[in-house]
Amino acid sequence: GAGVSQSPRYKVAKRGQDVALRCDPISGHVSLFWYQQALGQGPEFLTYFQNEAQLDKSGLPSDRFFAERPEGSVSTLKIQRTQQEDSAVYLCASSSGGAHYNEQFFGPGTRLTVL
Amino acid sequence: KNQVEQSPQSLIILEGKNCTLQCNYTVSPFSNLRWYKQDTGRGPVSLTIMTFSENTKSNGRYTATLDADTKQSSLHITASQLSDSASYICVVSVRSSASKIIFGSGTRLSIRP
Repeated sequence: GAGVSQSPRYKVAKRGQDVALRCDPISGHVSLFWYQQALGQGPEFLTYFQNEAQLDKSGLPSDRFFAERPEGSVSTLKIQRTQQEDSAVYLCASSSGGAHYNEQFFGPGTRLTVL
Repeated sequence: KNQVEQSPQSLIILEGKNCTLQCNYTVSPFSNLRWYKQDTGRGPVSLTIMTFSENTKSNGRYTATLDADTKQSSLHITASQLSDSASYICVVSVRSSASKIIFGSGTRLSIRP
């Protein structure tokens, strides 16, 4: 497809369950970003990949959050032992280069609800 | 601390009217500033980008301004349409960092017929 896609669009998990969120970036985009967006707030940075290398993971809130992009294209954000405070929309974005100069193209997000 | 603050938090106007959204930032070193539109249930979409040397940029009915001295930006929407109902997010990038971009909390704009 022409844009960034994410799946699933909605996920409901019971507290303590593990979840995996998928991001398919625009073909050829080197950079991939994950963001967490709470209701009524702007996105907050989680992590950044350049190809398969995770160059910045300073925004991951705890060691329960793990992201990978093993072949430099599709990325997965995994949250282990989910907690209620993990409920949010998780946005993925890709760009042709670093975020400081290149436009980021966002996916529709995955809305995670932890019960 | 790098911060981006937007005002108002929410705004309701009648269709056809103009409005102006504000963004103040304390990001350094500054690279560029973008305004994004985020429809409900969708990801943000870029409207404009401005670097340090640019003080105005237009995209159709959207006009963004930047005052790098006072670290303020505005987004002016002319002749609003129902489809303009969305959140508008101001985003500032840090120079020399490929990943450090700071998002504002957004202004929720509602256009009433």
